Amino acid sequence: SQTIHQWPATLVQPVGSPLSLECTVEGTSNPNLYWYRQAAGRGLQLLFYSVGIGQISSEVPQNLSASRPQDRQFILSSKKLLLSDSGFYLCAWSQNYGYTFGSGTRLTVV
Amino acid sequence: TQLLEQSPQFLSIQEGENLTVYCNSSSVFSSLQWYRQEPGEGPVLLVTVVTGGEVKKLKRLTFQFGDARKDSSLHITAAQPGDTGLYLCAGITDSWGKLQFGAGTQVVVTP
Repeated sequence: SQTIHQWPATLVQPVGSPLSLECTVEGTSNPNLYWYRQAAGRGLQLLFYSVGIGQISSEVPQNLSASRPQDRQFILSSKKLLLSDSGFYLCAWSQNYGYTFGSGTRLTVV
Repeated sequence: TQLLEQSPQFLSIQEGENLTVYCNSSSVFSSLQWYRQEPGEGPVLLVTVVTGGEVKKLKRLTFQFGDARKDSSLHITAAQPGDTGLYLCAGITDSWGKLQFGAGTQVVVTP
């Protein structure tokens, strides 16, 4: 069966520090991968998506970047975090339009 | 501007009551999905509707896709405390399959 792993679950980082969130998928190949951000109790905003290794599309200009070094690995990064980067970050994969989400990372920038 | 508008934003009801959540847009969707999310977790897919006018039932939950594929509703019959959560609708508009989410409806069912 397919599973998606996302870590860490929570993260507190100072302003100006770098960020690296990792997401891996098991049990499938060549999935579409996505990074979303969610404000408290609200809907999800699509940040990046990838349809293949090395292919990244950005939906919203921001302080973040994404990379896909392997077929089932998706990384969200920042060189210098801002206070406004705080939020709940969710990784997801899809095949044939069925989405499966990871358990999320709660990022607090202080 | 939200592509999908959900209403109401918040709903608090007693156990045993019925409720309906609405999801509306001016855009046409190739498919529309409903998710439920618990605090601190990722959303979990409940249903996908594809055909205009389609109705799907999942135990006490009934999902309807509008004839023009621009809107959808979720109806819960005899709500239970376990139905508490954030309900999100999401639509696919392009060939890449990117999901665009509504802002969500927070449902609280008290015993």
